Amino acid sequence: IAGITQAPTSQILAAGRRMTLRCTQDMRHNAMYWYRQDLGLGLRLIHYSNTAGTTGKGEVPDGYSVSRANTDDFPLTLASAVPSQTSVYFCASSAWTSGVNTGELFFGEGSRLTVL
Amino acid sequence: GQNIDQPTEMTATEGAIVQINCTYQTSGFNGLFWYQQHAGEAPTFLSYNVLDGLEEKGRFSSFLSRSKGYSYLLLKELQMKDSASYLCAFTDKLIFGTGTRLQVFP
Repeated sequence: IAGITQAPTSQILAAGRRMTLRCTQDMRHNAMYWYRQDLGLGLRLIHYSNTAGTTGKGEVPDGYSVSRANTDDFPLTLASAVPSQTSVYFCASSAWTSGVNTGELFFGEGSRLTVL
Repeated sequence: GQNIDQPTEMTATEGAIVQINCTYQTSGFNGLFWYQQHAGEAPTFLSYNVLDGLEEKGRFSSFLSRSKGYSYLLLKELQMKDSASYLCAFTDKLIFGTGTRLQVFP
């Protein structure tokens, strides 16, 4: 049982470099999300996608981009990483019903990113 | 806008009962989740409330009052393994509170 798989689990990156965090789910959930979690700030939504082909901005979208070419994959790209993007990144998915999220979020194990 | 408030930290004793509160303000409401997160791990689902009242699930219960913008998570018969952060979140907006870190002592 895989659920949601994130890669890499950990990465150290030089500032200015481009980085893509991968997220794949095998539950056929229509909605997927990217969060960052920082000490004292909790989970903050970066971007989301309610269905393949659509994406939306969350609370903290600046410096990040996403794509949703198919149901299973939802990569998060940092075009030019900065130290303030050092964080733990969680991908999640859920099943929507009639446009409302009534289903629980299933989280990946997280990707710890350090930008120096 | 939307806002969720939770206490930052709580402590309790093994075997006791603890109540973790969550107050919120939002325009439009479709339900509230509670999640548990152990240090270094991903959050896991505990409960979902969309109607007023108490939802019981084993040692854990969650209560919602929509008119008061208030929810709480009740943990009974505390065990050491319940030491974790507890997060409440709006369902449709996927906005999380900062979480309450609970430490259970023997």
